[in-house]
Amino acid sequence: KAGVTQTPRYLIKTRGQQVTLSCSPISGHRSVSWYQQTPGQGLQFLFEYFSETQRNKGNFPGRFSGRQFSNSRSEMNVSTLELGDSALYLCASSMGPGALSGYTFGSGTRLTVV
Amino acid sequence: GIQVEQSPPDLILQEGANSTLRCNFSDSVNNLQWFHQNPWGQLINLFYIPSGTKQNGRLSATTVATERYSLLYISSSQTTDSGVYFCAVVWAGYGNKLVFGAGTILRVKS
Repeated sequence: KAGVTQTPRYLIKTRGQQVTLSCSPISGHRSVSWYQQTPGQGLQFLFEYFSETQRNKGNFPGRFSGRQFSNSRSEMNVSTLELGDSALYLCASSMGPGALSGYTFGSGTRLTVV
Repeated sequence: GIQVEQSPPDLILQEGANSTLRCNFSDSVNNLQWFHQNPWGQLINLFYIPSGTKQNGRLSATTVATERYSLLYISSSQTTDSGVYFCAVVWAGYGNKLVFGAGTILRVKS
């Protein structure tokens, strides 16, 4: 079955702009989580959605937001982009909260803010 | 919060050698996974192993939950094993999110 699909793969934006990233989980998976990876901070949790509800949120400013649709696809949005938002954004899907069978990651979206 | 420490931070091997990567965590966990990050950034799931031992080809992993550590064994290493290996845990105290270690950078030379 198809894996976790993230689009776009690469993105270049200018400071002050906003960006929307998309994640389609594995079919049958209802939980989607987002992570940010930077050289300085490593992999950090952004938020998790299950059944269209945000269940958990990491320590990021309000410029970072997300949502989940009824088909479990998720989007994350970053407004008023800053240079420090340049990162690899990874999406993970799991069958449900707690991920008793583990998380599967997509290929990521590499965002560059100039 | 929970601390996840991986060692060694860097490892250089000659092709064909064996290696052991370690992950220590500071509290009880509900889930532990090992990932390999490929050069394109994707995290490839190697093992979901909250406890016990599993093997998959040249790779195997053991988690001793009561002693709060996990080991990843790579035997007969190949150049394609190069990359970054991450250990990540789901901590009961943090809800359902993965807390990652800093990773082990593995370089396998031919």
